[in-house]
Amino acid sequence: KQEVTQIPAALSVPEGENLVLNCSFTDSAIYNLQWFRQDPGKGLTSLLLIQSSQREQTSGRLNASLDKSSGRSTLYIAASQPGDSATYLCAVRDSARQLTFGSGTQLTVLP
Amino acid sequence: EPEVTQTPSHQVTQMGQEVILRCVPISNHLYFYWYRQILGQKVEFLVSFYNNEISEKSEIFDDQFSVERPDGSNFTLKIRSTKLEDSAMYFCASKRDFNVEQYFGPGTRLTVT
Repeated sequence: KQEVTQIPAALSVPEGENLVLNCSFTDSAIYNLQWFRQDPGKGLTSLLLIQSSQREQTSGRLNASLDKSSGRSTLYIAASQPGDSATYLCAVRDSARQLTFGSGTQLTVLP
Repeated sequence: EPEVTQTPSHQVTQMGQEVILRCVPISNHLYFYWYRQILGQKVEFLVSFYNNEISEKSEIFDDQFSVERPDGSNFTLKIRSTKLEDSAMYFCASKRDFNVEQYFGPGTRLTVT
């Protein structure tokens, strides 16, 4: 059964810093990996999708990488802003054809 | 930009009552999902729906749960006899094709008292 782990559970950084969020998964036979943002009490906003054949995807200040063989993905956020404060979730879609989520990293960017 | 919508945003019900949570997926999407998130816990998959039938379901999705796409736009989740442990945020999601992004709705917070 797929297990997804995200480290750290919480992170607090000053505005302007670059940061990396980590995601690992136990079964490397995945179709894709998706990063989401969740604001308190709200739904999930899709940030990036990386297909299993891709190594990275970029959207604005966000860059996600995928190393399928080692079961790892990272989300790099450049020049962080207070508006980036949220919980970041990664989810993998594997042979079970459903998304399995990690617990998330709660990010606080201090002004 | 098209988005997934869900109603109601918050539903309070008594234990044993039936509830129906409603979702309107993005119009040209073909795959539909329900997930739930108990407060402080991970988002968990419940069920996927494609071509007017359930394609996958989790252990959580027992006989108390059912899904329906009654017309070309709505996608519903019914819980027949709610329990206290059904209290959670329920998210609907949809996607256009097999191996693309899933888009999530804002969720319905279900409180069972």
